[in-house]
Amino acid sequence: AQSVTQLDSHVSVSEGTPVLLRCNYSSSYSPSLFWYVQHPNKGLQLLLKYTSAATLVKGINGFEAEFKKSETSFHLTKPSAHMSDAAEYFCVVSDPGSSNTGKLIFGQGTTLQVKP
Amino acid sequence: DVKVTQSSRYLVKRTGEKVFLECVQDMDHENMFWYRQDPGLGLRLIYFSYDVKMKEKGDIPEGYSVSREKKERFSLILESASTNQTSMYLCASISRRLAGLEQFFGPGTRLTVL
Repeated sequence: AQSVTQLDSHVSVSEGTPVLLRCNYSSSYSPSLFWYVQHPNKGLQLLLKYTSAATLVKGINGFEAEFKKSETSFHLTKPSAHMSDAAEYFCVVSDPGSSNTGKLIFGQGTTLQVKP
Repeated sequence: DVKVTQSSRYLVKRTGEKVFLECVQDMDHENMFWYRQDPGLGLRLIYFSYDVKMKEKGDIPEGYSVSREKKERFSLILESASTNQTSMYLCASISRRLAGLEQFFGPGTRLTVL
């Protein structure tokens, strides 16, 4: 069965330092993977997506993620954190039966705190 | 831009009340979804619909029902609200042509059941 595990429920960094949010997935086939961000009292916004093209995916606001099949990982990184990056981040994988439905499977979420 | 709207941002109801949460999308998407979001649990799928009057149960359908009478509108119904249904509810939609890719989300409704 498909599953997604976000390895940290809470990450705290100082402004200007790198960000690493870790995500591992399990899948018996080549999945589509996504990172979404949710700012306080806002809906979910797509940061980036991997759909079997380039393994290094660039997203909005300077974020990027690398798909590593051998490690079944899709970690999210950013070279330098900004205060506005403080939010909750979700790693998401497409359901294997979702070719018509578009069902997604969400990780538990990681709260990113950015300290001045 | 795709727009998904939800009828209320905040809602307070009493135990036993019937609650309707409305979701409307303006991009003619076939597939629509209802999730609930709880701290530490991520988003869990309640129901989804892939066409008018068509619906399927998600992972946690108990205590909920849905209605899809028009393509653009997907309603979530709590027949008899209970305190354990206090949560953030998120609606999403996607074109069937793009199924398996990203979904578009509404801003969410934070429901409190007293």
